[in-house]
Amino acid sequence: DSGVTQTPKHLITATGQRVTLRCSPRSGDLSVYWYQQSLDQGLQFLIQYYNGEERAKGNILERFSAQQFPDLHSELNLSSLELGDSALYFCASSDTDGQQETQYFGPGTRLLVL
Amino acid sequence: KNQVEQSPQSLIILEGKNCTLQCNYTVSPFSNLRWYKQDTGRGPVSLTIMTFSENTKSNGRYTATLDADTKQSSLHITASQLSDSASYICVVSAPYGGSQGNLIFGKGTKLSVKP
Repeated sequence: DSGVTQTPKHLITATGQRVTLRCSPRSGDLSVYWYQQSLDQGLQFLIQYYNGEERAKGNILERFSAQQFPDLHSELNLSSLELGDSALYFCASSDTDGQQETQYFGPGTRLLVL
Repeated sequence: KNQVEQSPQSLIILEGKNCTLQCNYTVSPFSNLRWYKQDTGRGPVSLTIMTFSENTKSNGRYTATLDADTKQSSLHITASQLSDSASYICVVSAPYGGSQGNLIFGKGTKLSVKP
């Protein structure tokens, strides 16, 4: 158990809908990272927050947005969902925003868009 | 474009045997290189992190090597166990990732250890 929690574990929705994925980092960790993992793709970095501020951005679609709240939990919002958004979404946390940090991954949210 | 290529794509070995997984990258500049183990349907778990000045790092039966000149890394697994069956992902960190972000992931090598 990494100490990172993600909810929900599974999510099934229809195209055009909007969903929110939630992540609680390990106690004391200030950085939260979001990743997307599709069936035939490797992990794709989406976005990083550090202590409430956006720190780095990857190939995150404009239909997706995220935020980190004062209690350090984070939410990833996915809107106007398409079939291709079906994937595993992972959240990870680390105690700093530095390059040498170890990231601890949550169990993931499996999203299925029908 | 920064890229991380892993080989082989998949590998089957017998329990107790050793194996070596390869990672080639074109990321430059380069901050560090990590190896993760990902069990099916679960989040990745960090095995090793190496900076450009480190040649080797071990974590139990896992030993990672890095040649920053040739931009190659390998992960050697000794005396494999059934629980080593997983995907192994090579991740290179760039200080300025641009649109790819700071972390560039390989697609992983899927290892199956058979009894």
